[in-house]
Amino acid sequence: GQQVMQIPQYQHVQEGEDFTTYCNSSTTLSNIQWYKQRPGGHPVFLIQLVKSGEVKKQKRLTFQFGEAKKNSSLHITATQTTDVGTYFCAGPENENQGGKLIFGQGTELSVKP
Amino acid sequence: NAGVTQTPKFQVLKTGQSMTLQCAQDMNHEYMSWYRQDPGMGLRLIHYSVGAGITDQGEVPNGYNVSRSTTEDFPLRLLSAAPSQTSVYFCASRRFQGQTYEQYFGPGTRLTVT
Repeated sequence: GQQVMQIPQYQHVQEGEDFTTYCNSSTTLSNIQWYKQRPGGHPVFLIQLVKSGEVKKQKRLTFQFGEAKKNSSLHITATQTTDVGTYFCAGPENENQGGKLIFGQGTELSVKP
Repeated sequence: NAGVTQTPKFQVLKTGQSMTLQCAQDMNHEYMSWYRQDPGMGLRLIHYSVGAGITDQGEVPNGYNVSRSTTEDFPLRLLSAAPSQTSVYFCASRRFQGQTYEQYFGPGTRLTVT
């Protein structure tokens, strides 16, 4: 079945440093989503990318969808302590809207003030 | 709107006991799903439903049953709890139609099986 891999599993940065997490799928994705989970909390939707090569920004966060629609990245510029948490990518298993949403293992970000 | 609600928040079971984790949503979402979260494993799909009366298996369905008698409710049943089912369980919902797959998650149930 479809696999979604994320790297790195953990990332420790100093406040103000940049951070990037990468997501790779074993199959072509119709779209990819990103979620953030604060410690002790539940995943919260950040964004969805649909088009090949798409780039979207949310303040200090930049999301990219690869040209082949098999990989994606999330880049945070000048991290802050509020960015702490685990970031997940997720993609539907197939083109059908009823398809299962498969999550990567997540990247846990810690930020040292 | 309350969004997605889950009960209980915490539960301790003994091996072999059964229980039901409750999930409800008030957004009239057709699609509901259950995930379990374990350290280093991400979120793994247990079961999902695309509407009342329709359920299907996810990645890790063994040991769990679901039913969907109404649009609002999607309970998860553990028939005979095992220590391997110690995990955090999240229920999620989203619209079935449309362009956005955005899923709304409940607060989670932290289950320990001894």
